[in-house]
Amino acid sequence: AQSVTQLDSQVPVFEEAPVELRCNYSSSVSVYLFWYVQYPNQGLQLLLKYLSGSTLVKGINGFEAEFNKSQTSFHLRKPSVHISDTAEYFCAVSVGQGAQKLVFGQGTRLTINP
Amino acid sequence: DGGITQSPKYLFRKEGQNVTLSCEQNLNHDAMYWYRQDPGQGLRLIYYSQIVNDFQKGDIAEGYSVSREKKESFPLTVTSAQKNPTAFYLCASSIFLGSSYEQYFGPGTRLTVT
Repeated sequence: AQSVTQLDSQVPVFEEAPVELRCNYSSSVSVYLFWYVQYPNQGLQLLLKYLSGSTLVKGINGFEAEFNKSQTSFHLRKPSVHISDTAEYFCAVSVGQGAQKLVFGQGTRLTINP
Repeated sequence: DGGITQSPKYLFRKEGQNVTLSCEQNLNHDAMYWYRQDPGQGLRLIYYSQIVNDFQKGDIAEGYSVSREKKESFPLTVTSAQKNPTAFYLCASSIFLGSSYEQYFGPGTRLTVT
């Protein structure tokens, strides 16, 4: 069964510092990978996705992620964070026939300190 | 505006009562999903439906029921058989991108059962 592991449950960072949120997945087949962001008491918003092609994927709000097949990783990065980036971030992999379902990691809470 | 609506945002019930959570979408998406979110556990799939009048159990379907009588509606009933129903419930719908589905989420309903 496919699974997703987010290695850090909480990441505190100072404003304007770079950040990396780590995500590893297990799969024996081709995968499609996603990062979602959730602000307090809200639904999830898609940040970026990897379906095929270039392994460096750019998303909204200045985030990017790199797909590394050999390390089965899909880490999320931002070179300079803002207070408004404080949120919970979820990595997900699509599974099932036609890849219609998602399996989510446990989430990483990103806290930006001034 | 197109999107997914969930109502109400907060719901309180007494133990032993069934409760139905509403989910409506006007995105014309075929597939819809229900997830449960608990702190530190990410999102877990309860049920999903790919077409009208058809739905499949997810990973934690016990104690829940759904119906899909209309394309735009996918209500979730939390029955008294669900042992720990207090949680944040998220509804999603998805569109096929040619190789994978992309899921869009509603704002969620926070259910508290006492």
